[in-house]
Amino acid sequence: SQQGEEDPQALSIQEGENATMNCSYKTSINNLQWYRQNSGRGLVHLILIRSNEREKHSGRLRVTLDTSKKSSSLLITASRAADTASYFCAYNRNQAGTALIFGKGTTLSVSS
Amino acid sequence: GAVVSQHPSWVICKSGTSVKIECRSLDFQATTMFWYRQFPKQSLMLMATSNEGSKATYEQGVEKDKFLINHASLTLSTLTVTSAHPEDSSFYICSASKTGVVDTQYFGPGTRLTVL
Repeated sequence: SQQGEEDPQALSIQEGENATMNCSYKTSINNLQWYRQNSGRGLVHLILIRSNEREKHSGRLRVTLDTSKKSSSLLITASRAADTASYFCAYNRNQAGTALIFGKGTTLSVSS
Repeated sequence: GAVVSQHPSWVICKSGTSVKIECRSLDFQATTMFWYRQFPKQSLMLMATSNEGSKATYEQGVEKDKFLINHASLTLSTLTVTSAHPEDSSFYICSASKTGVVDTQYFGPGTRLTVL
């Protein structure tokens, strides 16, 4: 399977703490994206990092990409209860314009 | 801009019936659309790639005769689940790429299918 792996599968933290999720993939990529999904709902695009970038920030989100290790991490700082959701990494299979392959996801629970 | 809609948002049907799900790009043209399936507590799995005016490309293990895909215009792709069975119950999500813009996909809100 080309599906990416994410860890941890589940993460429970307190409000204000940071949450780190990791994603590993198996193929060459043009970019890697992170999505959030609230229970039973659609996907929300969070951030895209290109293969020639190593780190990217967006608000409380920080994404890193290590193409030599085929891995990426998503850091959410100062978490809030509203951050409770499932988070997925996704990448194009071979080249830009093709379908996304999703990681298995991390379920984040932030308690107040 | 870049809104994708799906209809219906949820559907309940009897085993053996067929169900059609629509995916529309509301404010852009989409040469390519993708269909994904998500079982409870699992990730999204690609089912097929739908190209306007041509046959869809199905992923390994996805029955093309069971999941009929039609992409007759640049703003509409449909997925028909034929002779649905309870194991087809799932969350079906489509996405669309703007014509000429290759590295961004816009996702629909999903359709929850329950087969009794």
